[in-house]
Amino acid sequence: AQRVTQPEKLLSVFKGAPVELKCNYSYSGSPELFWYVQYSRQRLQLLLRHISRESIKGFTADLNKGETSFHLKKPFAQEEDSAMYYCALRGRRPTFGRGTSLIVHP
Amino acid sequence: DVKVTQSSRYLVKRTGEKVFLECVQDMDHENMFWYRQDPGLGLRLIYFSYDVKMKEKGDIPEGYSVSREKKERFSLILESASTNQTSMYLCASSFPDRATEQYFGPGTRLTVT
Repeated sequence: AQRVTQPEKLLSVFKGAPVELKCNYSYSGSPELFWYVQYSRQRLQLLLRHISRESIKGFTADLNKGETSFHLKKPFAQEEDSAMYYCALRGRRPTFGRGTSLIVHP
Repeated sequence: DVKVTQSSRYLVKRTGEKVFLECVQDMDHENMFWYRQDPGLGLRLIYFSYDVKMKEKGDIPEGYSVSREKKERFSLILESASTNQTSMYLCASSFPDRATEQYFGPGTRLTVT
């Protein structure tokens, strides 16, 4: 069965510090992974997809098949990055992790 | 721009009432999904549909049913609401070959008293 694990419920950092939100997955085939973000009082939206190898709002994520991970990183956190982040794994039934709440303090 | 709308932002119902949550999307998406979002539990899939008149159970279908009579509309039904169904309900839609690239509605905060 496919599974997504986000080990941290809450991540608290100061502005300008690096941030890494962890995501580990379990999947027997070739995985496709995504990060979603939900800012306060806004709808959940797609942040980035691993196949695009893109950087959105300074965030990047690299798929590491050896470690079965897809961690989301940003070198310098901003206050506006404070949000709920979900990692998701493609499948016939998409699987979401439980989410990590990122708080960036001024 | 994809628009996914949900009939209510906030809803308060009594235990035992039948509750309808409506979701409409305007992008001709084949796939539609219903989730509930609870703190610490993340997004849990209730039901999904990959075509009109088609429905499939997700991870937590108990106490819920769905209806998809038209491509753009996907309804979630709570046959007899209970207090443990108090939650945020999210609807989403996507293209058939991109099931995980979903567009979400604003959510309905349901309180069952």
